[in-house]
Amino acid sequence: EIVLAQSPDTLSLSPGERATLSCRASQSVSSNYLAWYQQKPGQAPRLLIYGASSRATGVPDRFSGSGSGTDFTLTITRLEPEDFAVYYCQQKLAFGGGTKVEIK
Amino acid sequence: QVQLVESGGGLVKPGGSLRLSCTTSGFSFGDDYVSWIRQAPGKGLEWVSYISPTSATVYYPDSVRGRFTISRDNSRNSLYLQMDSLRAEDTAVYYCARILPANIYSLTCDYWGQGTLVTVSS
Repeated sequence: EIVLAQSPDTLSLSPGERATLSCRASQSVSSNYLAWYQQKPGQAPRLLIYGASSRATGVPDRFSGSGSGTDFTLTITRLEPEDFAVYYCQQKLAFGGGTKVEIK
Repeated sequence: QVQLVESGGGLVKPGGSLRLSCTTSGFSFGDDYVSWIRQAPGKGLEWVSYISPTSATVYYPDSVRGRFTISRDNSRNSLYLQMDSLRAEDTAVYYCARILPANIYSLTCDYWGQGTLVTVSS
């Protein structure tokens, strides 16, 4: 059973700054199966990235995904006010515990 | 546009039953894998079940296997979750979601409903 560990738990940043979120798998996984979601309070998750690096429809290009094997990264190049949220990675039946990006 | 709307949540006593529904529109429901995913208050996301277009393939994790049953009615573009022998730890928001058709093996969910809250408490 694959376990996904996300770090950090919380990221405190200011608008305009760069955010780098990590997702580490307990064993090597296929990049085709790695996804990232954004969730705001009281809302459903929203798909951002699938296949490790492909942006979902309508996702701004300030969001990018990268990585392979056991280490994957979600990068937000310049944080907008609406980007402060919780982010989850997923690999098939496993979800990471989430990283909260909060306003510093 | 794609829409998924859950209903049927509420307060139920431990040991009780509840049936959730998810009505969909804007995509070819009968061609797609669909799923239920839950989120306990203040916690992360957890798979509950998924089902193939013909209902031939279903999945449940150990936490709900034998108690929950997923089903679908392609003529009604609807997904269901029958939940029996409910426990306090089943308390969560239950989301229905479509699995990305281009890569069903990834189980990536590209569209989600707004969720319905199930509370199991005496």
